[in-house]
Amino acid sequence: EAGVVQSPRYKIIEKKQPVAFWCNPISGHNTLYWYLQNLGQGPELLIRYENEEAVDDSQLPKDRFSAERLKGVDSTLKIQPAELGDSAVYLCASSLARTGATGELFFGEGSRLTVL
Amino acid sequence: GDSVTQMEGPVTLSEEAFLTINCTYTATGYPSLFWYVQYPGEGLQLLLKATKADDKGSNKGFEATYRKETTSFHLEKGSVQVSDSAVYFCALDHYTGTASKLTFGTGTRLQVTL
Repeated sequence: EAGVVQSPRYKIIEKKQPVAFWCNPISGHNTLYWYLQNLGQGPELLIRYENEEAVDDSQLPKDRFSAERLKGVDSTLKIQPAELGDSAVYLCASSLARTGATGELFFGEGSRLTVL
Repeated sequence: GDSVTQMEGPVTLSEEAFLTINCTYTATGYPSLFWYVQYPGEGLQLLLKATKADDKGSNKGFEATYRKETTSFHLEKGSVQVSDSAVYFCALDHYTGTASKLTFGTGTRLQVTL
């Protein structure tokens, strides 16, 4: 069974440029998460989807971050414009959890962003 | 709000040594508790979990017991191997009735040497 696939693995951009990350969850997983992991820290939730609905986006900085999950499968996380402080690893995860519960999350390898 | 505190690393052990990584949490109610592991170059993966007080999670020789009286979920292994070298994250899941999300600790890096 294929795991959670993320791309790109690495991205280096100049500040004020846009960037987008893509995630393909495990087939059949209805719940999808985007987490932010700063160096030496644990992952922090940015947004959680149940199918195509964003059920928790309270931690997403909406002035520059946006996300979508068309058709309840793949998801894209965008930053525009990027700032120096956005340098981090962006993790995507998916799960089979029933609505309202988390259960076991399956993580991708992450997309490492460096903003110069 | 919910929080998880882990012992700082790195933890360096010789092969076959005993491992303890401390984890304590702050949360109202009865969260579920997890240990996730991140091996070099790989994504995080669930190592073990416990969903209620006094439950013991175990996997791959690792164990952790949900202690509500001390709000702790310490990870232990009796004899570590070089292949256990990784970053270990303690996490809690607090379902509030409308939504749930994992809250992670900062991670503890374990390095096992021959």
